Amino acid sequence: EVQLLESGGGLVQPGGSLRLSCAASGFTFSNYAMSWVRQAPGEGLEWVSAINYNAGNSYYADSVKGRFTISRDNSKSTLYLQMNTLRAEDTAVYYCAKDPQYYYGSGSWIDCWGQGTLVTVSS
Amino acid sequence: QSALTQPASVSGSPGQSITISCTGTSSDIGDYNSVSWYQQHPGKAPKLIIYKVTDRPSGVSSRFSGSKSGNTASLTISGLQAEDEADYYCSSYTRSSFLGIFGGGTKLTVL
Repeated sequence: EVQLLESGGGLVQPGGSLRLSCAASGFTFSNYAMSWVRQAPGEGLEWVSAINYNAGNSYYADSVKGRFTISRDNSKSTLYLQMNTLRAEDTAVYYCAKDPQYYYGSGSWIDCWGQGTLVTVSS
Repeated sequence: QSALTQPASVSGSPGQSITISCTGTSSDIGDYNSVSWYQQHPGKAPKLIIYKVTDRPSGVSSRFSGSKSGNTASLTISGLQAEDEADYYCSSYTRSSFLGIFGGGTKLTVL
């Protein structure tokens, strides 16, 4: 059974940093692109970032470009999201998401979601 | 990049059919066949119900179907059941940002 388990969320002050992790199991992690998607309280979904199976390319939403960095450690089957210079508008549940393909791109969708981890940016 | 456009809410009675539209542009829905749909119950993670416009993952009821015409994709749910009450999101790849985008979500109420 495919499982994605996020961790690392919590309360952080504006301007602070946080690193999210996503531990994957039940599939060959190194064969698939992965993404982070977030959902602000009471709001819709926003695709934050995506990374290819071999970390060769990564992609970011304009809202987080230059502040967030996606990475992966295939030896540990773990996906990461380093979030710097956090703002109140970054407050959201962050979901780890699996792509059915090697490369993130025009044929991508999300075939499995984690349960999410809540990030709250507030003073 | 603006979100895809969905109606905020739709409703139907048990047994009826409903359709949720998702309107984009020639930079996303109109140019790619990677439209997907997700169902989200309150407090839960989204769940994939349609991918590549019309395909259903194994285990998803055949009451769910998808289609696309031009820049607009649609999700149809036939034989509405109480358990279908949830939020539904469409998604597509967009060459505007080289990342996926979602619709604003549609709340389905089963009367």
